[in-house]
Amino acid sequence: SAVISQKPSRDICQRGTSLTIQCQVDSQVTMMFWYRQQPGQSLTLIATANQGSEATYESGFVIDKFPISRPNLTFSTLTVSNMSPEDSSIYLCSGRDRANTGELFFGEGSRLTVL
Amino acid sequence: QQQVKQSPQSLIVQKGGISIINCAYENTAFDYFPWYQQFPGKGPALLIAIRPDVSEKKEGRFTISFNKSAKQFSLHIMDSQPGDSATYFCAASLNSGYSTLTFGKGTMLLVSP
Repeated sequence: SAVISQKPSRDICQRGTSLTIQCQVDSQVTMMFWYRQQPGQSLTLIATANQGSEATYESGFVIDKFPISRPNLTFSTLTVSNMSPEDSSIYLCSGRDRANTGELFFGEGSRLTVL
Repeated sequence: QQQVKQSPQSLIVQKGGISIINCAYENTAFDYFPWYQQFPGKGPALLIAIRPDVSEKKEGRFTISFNKSAKQFSLHIMDSQPGDSATYFCAASLNSGYSTLTFGKGTMLLVSP
């Protein structure tokens, strides 16, 4: 399966600021997703990153808070806007290659702490 | 609402023992059931997956058992090792994995030496 690199791996942010997380896949993938995982919790899908068009957001997540870009098949960004302590979480980028039996693979995650 | 219910929440097993984690789903249209393993500070990694045309799939010490009529599937780890200590997530999706995955809440497994 492909390898996903995320940066930053971790960051400490001030309330009210925004942070952009970058996700790079080492091969082309048809689908990319962004998940949130709060400490000790399960994975919650934020949105599907669509190449060249607006992301598809899950219930409870909005574009103004989590703008997402995907300019090509191997790169995506997630911005966490106007952060509050409730946004402290691990943000995971994931990808799926339809040619590879649909396996979903993940990056190592970006751990954000908002003070 | 599509749900996948996972149990137990945590599990302690002696080295060499069998670890069993169970999941139940509601949506009968689900047709792809993967298990993910996550170590602290790492992203989840696919461990093993099954589709409903078979009742069991084995890869090394890891086996998925699938009961379509009961809408349940389980992960069995044989000869559990301390290195298996991790959090395990079951998941399910439509269209053999090409749609989004719905994850269970996870099971924290500790294998004692």
